[in-house]
Amino acid sequence: QSVLTQPPSVSAAPGQKVTISCSGSSSNIGNNYVSWYQQLPGTAPKLLIYDNNKRPSGIPDRFSGSKSGTSATLGITGLQTGDEADYYCGTWDSSLSVLFGGGTKLTVL
Amino acid sequence: EVQLVESGGGVVQPGGSLRLSCAASGFTFDDYAMHWVRQAPGKGLEWVSLISGDGGSTYYADSVKGRFTISRDNSKNSLYLQMNSLRTEDTALYYCAKDMGSGVDYWGQGTLVTVSS
Repeated sequence: QSVLTQPPSVSAAPGQKVTISCSGSSSNIGNNYVSWYQQLPGTAPKLLIYDNNKRPSGIPDRFSGSKSGTSATLGITGLQTGDEADYYCGTWDSSLSVLFGGGTKLTVL
Repeated sequence: EVQLVESGGGVVQPGGSLRLSCAASGFTFDDYAMHWVRQAPGKGLEWVSLISGDGGSTYYADSVKGRFTISRDNSKNSLYLQMNSLRTEDTALYYCAKDMGSGVDYWGQGTLVTVSS
């Protein structure tokens, strides 16, 4: 059971928008930046969003992040079949450890 | 281009030991803290350990504290994880990952550790 709570799965049709939530507490999300990672099947995780809402170079603006209080949200617009993957949120904890959410499997119908 | 290449995984019996290595390139290695993160088959990501850029500070997940030791050799641009007293629940793909100050940015491809009798 992860300290950061994500929905196990979300789905949407191609071209649509989806959001993935990540819920934590004041000891983690509430006082630290949140990152989001995409893990395509059989590959290593890849950084999508850092510092709550910033995109590394090369990440399309279809991907966005936001944070409010002790929760964060990843948004993906213009869904493509290639976006089918597992998505993880991550942040620091006050105990100087890194936390990851349990992961959300995105299905593009 | 940042590259992280892990090695050292394999099959080991419960109670055994294994040493993982990670060769880093494409960035100034000693400027950055480094992590080990693992992923059990079919499961999510679990942070294992962190070491500061100079190697002077280390942190561990409770699940591995006292059994695993993280270290680095900045002269060789290399990161290590010494794993002792291995348990079946340590079976996972182990990733080496670079810290960016507010989290992890780059990940290696992982090395598989299987603990089984």
